[in-house]
Amino acid sequence: EVQFVESGGGLVQPGGSLRLSCAASGFVFSKYEMNWVRQAPGKGLEWVAYISASGRVTYYADSVKGRFTISRDENSLHLDMNSLRVEDTAVYYCMRDDYDSGCFGGPWGQGTLVTVSS
Amino acid sequence: EIVMTQTPLSLPVTLGQPASISCRSSKSLVYYDGKTYLSWLHQRPGQPPRLLIYKISDRFSGVPDRFSGSGAGTDFTLNISRVEADDVGIYYCMQATQLRTFGQGTRLEIK
Repeated sequence: EVQFVESGGGLVQPGGSLRLSCAASGFVFSKYEMNWVRQAPGKGLEWVAYISASGRVTYYADSVKGRFTISRDENSLHLDMNSLRVEDTAVYYCMRDDYDSGCFGGPWGQGTLVTVSS
Repeated sequence: EIVMTQTPLSLPVTLGQPASISCRSSKSLVYYDGKTYLSWLHQRPGQPPRLLIYKISDRFSGVPDRFSGSGAGTDFTLNISRVEADDVGIYYCMQATQLRTFGQGTRLEIK
């Protein structure tokens, strides 16, 4: 069964840093492109970042470009977040892309909550 | 950036009745491979989203056949043939043809 477990969230002051991780299981992680998606309290879903299967290609939403870095290792996805702002407060989810089947948009883990506040 | 626009934003439905949600993209979602990467997700209160439909009309594993998707190009629809109590929550469309973007969400509630 495909599963994702996000971790690393917490309370951080504006301007601070945090590293999120997403542990993947149930599939060959190295073969799939991955994304981070976030959801601010009471708001909709916002795509944050993408990384190719090789890790060589990355894309970012304009709202986080230059502050966030997506990376991956053998079985985990990471998001390094710097210069955090109050508006970065959200639940962060990892999301898999499956180009072979054309299945985009799931499954999802429970997410990890990041709160940026003084 | 491709903008996704959903209508309606709020959808009151009587149990057992059908429901329909529309999603329009600002550009065609046909990818260079000829396929269209439009998905539908459902999020119940306090839960993460779950995938319902991908590639316009393919149901994800375990999704009941009450849910169906249709459309092409820039106009897409999610249909629920008979709404059940468990269907409440917010429905999102998502495109994966050019990066990823989501619609604003449609809140389905029981009348």
